[in-house]
Amino acid sequence: AQKITQTQPGMFVQEKEAVTLDCTYDTSDQSYGLFWYKQPSSGEMIFLIYQGSYDEQNATEGRYSLNFQKARKSANLVISASQLGDSAMYFCAMRGGYNTDKLIFGTGTRLQVFP
Amino acid sequence: SQTIHQWPATLVQPVGSPLSLECTVEGTSNPNLYWYRQAAGRGLQLLFYSVGIGQISSEVPQNLSASRPQDRQFILSSKKLLLSDSGFYLCAWSVGNEQFFGPGTRLTVL
Repeated sequence: AQKITQTQPGMFVQEKEAVTLDCTYDTSDQSYGLFWYKQPSSGEMIFLIYQGSYDEQNATEGRYSLNFQKARKSANLVISASQLGDSAMYFCAMRGGYNTDKLIFGTGTRLQVFP
Repeated sequence: SQTIHQWPATLVQPVGSPLSLECTVEGTSNPNLYWYRQAAGRGLQLLFYSVGIGQISSEVPQNLSASRPQDRQFILSSKKLLLSDSGFYLCAWSVGNEQFFGPGTRLTVL
């Protein structure tokens, strides 16, 4: 069975510093995708970044990068130059297998950025 | 550009009452559509997904049901709500690798 694990219920970071949010996954599929979403207090889920299992390069989107270590089954999110507006819940998710778009989510990490 | 709408934004319903939540997508055709539920302080749980009109797959047995009467419309229903149905309901659509979410409906069952 597929599983996403986020072991950090909460993280603090000072403004302008970088922070890493951990995510490990478990799957027997060869082809899968990994996602990170941001959920501010308003509740909406904002797509941040995607990494395919066959992508050789780590995905990057602006200040977000995904540290993909396939052998360790980890897909950590790195946020550089944190901003106060980055304070939110962050969810790691996985889409597994062929012909499926279904996502399995982790329990999330609450990030708080302080001045 | 693609847009996804959900209504209502918030809803307070008594136990045993019916439920109908609506989700519509603009700017795309033949999307895969999803209903997720998020309990307070928890991650998202997939409830239903649909790959086309009239095609519904259920992930979790419960007293909820879903229907897709039109290509870009996805409805979540219940005949009799339970207290445990309280939560934040999110509709999502996907084309390709990305999955986008609507603004959500916060349901409180009293």
